[in-house]
Amino acid sequence: QQPVQSPQAVILREGEDAVINCSSSKALYSVHWYRQKHGEAPVFLMILLKGGEQKGHEKISASFNEKKQQSSLYLTASQLSYSGTYFCGTERRGGYQKVTFGTGTKLQVIP
Amino acid sequence: DAGVTQSPTHLIKTRGQQVTLRCSPKSGHDTVSWYQQALGQGPQFIFQYYEEEERQRGNFPDRFSGHQFPNYSSELNVNALLLGDSALYLCASSITGGSYNSPLHFGNGTRLTVT
Repeated sequence: QQPVQSPQAVILREGEDAVINCSSSKALYSVHWYRQKHGEAPVFLMILLKGGEQKGHEKISASFNEKKQQSSLYLTASQLSYSGTYFCGTERRGGYQKVTFGTGTKLQVIP
Repeated sequence: DAGVTQSPTHLIKTRGQQVTLRCSPKSGHDTVSWYQQALGQGPQFIFQYYEEEERQRGNFPDRFSGHQFPNYSSELNVNALLLGDSALYLCASSITGGSYNSPLHFGNGTRLTVT
């Protein structure tokens, strides 16, 4: 079943922060985050394993709450280059990299 | 280091025809997954190939089939095309074995239009 992301869309001014949430109804082994710019392929940001793991990538970080089957992506001090659609992808144990992608969150950063 | 390459980049077909899309994985990767992405939607898993066999399959009809070659490259075939098959088809490669933590590396996709 497809994970649900919120919000569906968000507009930020440069320097503002944002949080994107990803929720699944299934028990998860890991959560992936990808960013896709218009007309381009999705680009990998990070993977989080179960167990409350948190990771950071420049000013982008994420957390994974396995009990709630939720993950959140945090973007701080946003830059114009952060614009794009963000997808979470969930993987179940034994899934062999079968990643089920969420509904997507369109992020636009304006000057 | 070449990334994932897909061909062709664009394709226009008529309803009822058949199409073959090709993918070469990133160097060192042995697993290929195919995704269908409709406009404004997230990628939908079609199937995955590993060791030249289909290892997993999503909720797609048998009209969608594939193949993996000994050099890990892969093909996606779609028969009896429908208008609803119009989409961006993405190939993603990864590594199996060692850990389940391999991220997906995507190609730029093939834009298929069925008229």
